[in-house]
Amino acid sequence: QVQLRELGPRLVKPSQTLSLTCTVSGDSLSSGGYYWSWIRQPAGERLEWIGRFFSSSGNTDYNPSLKSRVTISVDTAKNQFSLEFNSVTAADTAVYYCAKGAGSVAFGVWGQGSMVTVSS
Amino acid sequence: EIVLTQSPGTLSLSPGERATLSCRASQSISRTYLAWYQQKPGQAPRLLIYGASNRATGIPDRFSGSGSGTDFTLTISGLEPEDFAVYYCQQFGSSPQYTFGQGTKVEIK
Repeated sequence: QVQLRELGPRLVKPSQTLSLTCTVSGDSLSSGGYYWSWIRQPAGERLEWIGRFFSSSGNTDYNPSLKSRVTISVDTAKNQFSLEFNSVTAADTAVYYCAKGAGSVAFGVWGQGSMVTVSS
Repeated sequence: EIVLTQSPGTLSLSPGERATLSCRASQSISRTYLAWYQQKPGQAPRLLIYGASNRATGIPDRFSGSGSGTDFTLTISGLEPEDFAVYYCQQFGSSPQYTFGQGTKVEIK
């Protein structure tokens, strides 16, 4: 059974970089052709897709509205993938989820989420 | 960017009743690219329906999806106590880009 878990600091200062890691168990990031994504949810708001990578090729895609501030990378040796979100503001305060794609069109397995607050 | 608008915002129903949730897209989308999720407080979303009408693994058959073009519906045929939650629709579009609706809360009347 595939399980995902987000890890990272809960508090980030404005203008700094938010860094989160998703550890995957029960599956391998170096095999198969699956999409792995980051998604966030500000309190009381709708979910927002941040970006994804494709395990077969390593190619990444990003939400156009966030692309200039986001980098997704993968460490196959640790079976982890990471999110870096720079120049954060209070508007980036949210629960951040990592997820495995159900094909290319939906999200079939989710982590439990990591609450990140941007505040000085 | 395709915008998804869900209605109603809140649905107040009793256990055993039928719930009908709507998701309207700002432009036509393929059925293949429409999904529904359930989210309970403090939990991650759970995939219910993909391809507009296909139930995900382990989802009870009281959940069904339908629709095409710009109008999609999630129906819960008889609400169980565990079904009271927030439901989101989601679409996959070119770019690529995924967008979600704002959610419908199904609450106990």
